[in-house]
Amino acid sequence: DAGVTQSPTHLIKTRGQHVTLRCSPISGHKSVSWYQQVLGQGPQFIFQYYEKEERGRGNFPDRFSARQFPNYSSELNVNALLLGDSALYLCASSLDLATIYFGEGSWLTVV
Amino acid sequence: GESVGLHLPTLSVQEGDNSIINCAYSNSASDYFIWYKQESGKGPQFIIDIRSNMDKRQGQRVTVLLNKTVKHLSLQIAATQPGDSAVYFCAEILVDSSYKLIFGSGTRLLVRP
Repeated sequence: DAGVTQSPTHLIKTRGQHVTLRCSPISGHKSVSWYQQVLGQGPQFIFQYYEKEERGRGNFPDRFSARQFPNYSSELNVNALLLGDSALYLCASSLDLATIYFGEGSWLTVV
Repeated sequence: GESVGLHLPTLSVQEGDNSIINCAYSNSASDYFIWYKQESGKGPQFIIDIRSNMDKRQGQRVTVLLNKTVKHLSLQIAATQPGDSAVYFCAEILVDSSYKLIFGSGTRLLVRP
């Protein structure tokens, strides 16, 4: 069975641009969460979606947005990119909301 | 647990020895705890979890201990192997309207051959 899949794996963007990151959860999982991990730190919570509804939002600016589709896949959008947005963006899925599995992440570099 | 930035605490152990990785969590109301292993360039890998109504849980070569009195978690790895070398994070979940993970500062485990 496929795990959590994310795309793209690596990308480089220029300041001011926007980016869309995509995530497909484990089959049967209805909850998707997004995390940002900067080098040397633990992941920081950005969003959680369950059954296409936003269930939680972390301390991130409005430039960050997300949505979940009927097939439970999800997109994370970041507008007006800043250098400080450079990080590993992780998607996680869960069946029962508590046992949470991560994908391999999307490495975003903003130049 | 606050992040320690670029400098991660490091635990160096001899192959075959047991490892104990410690973690302090922040919220006494947290319901659920998970240990993750993260290898370089990869996403966190689920190792073992424990609910707040338990004080010990065992998996294959791993044991998690929970001490709610002092808000402390530990991960014990038996017969540590070179493949165990990674950064280990503990995470807590406070169940409110969402199930967000709050990660502690990681520990880098180095296994000496």
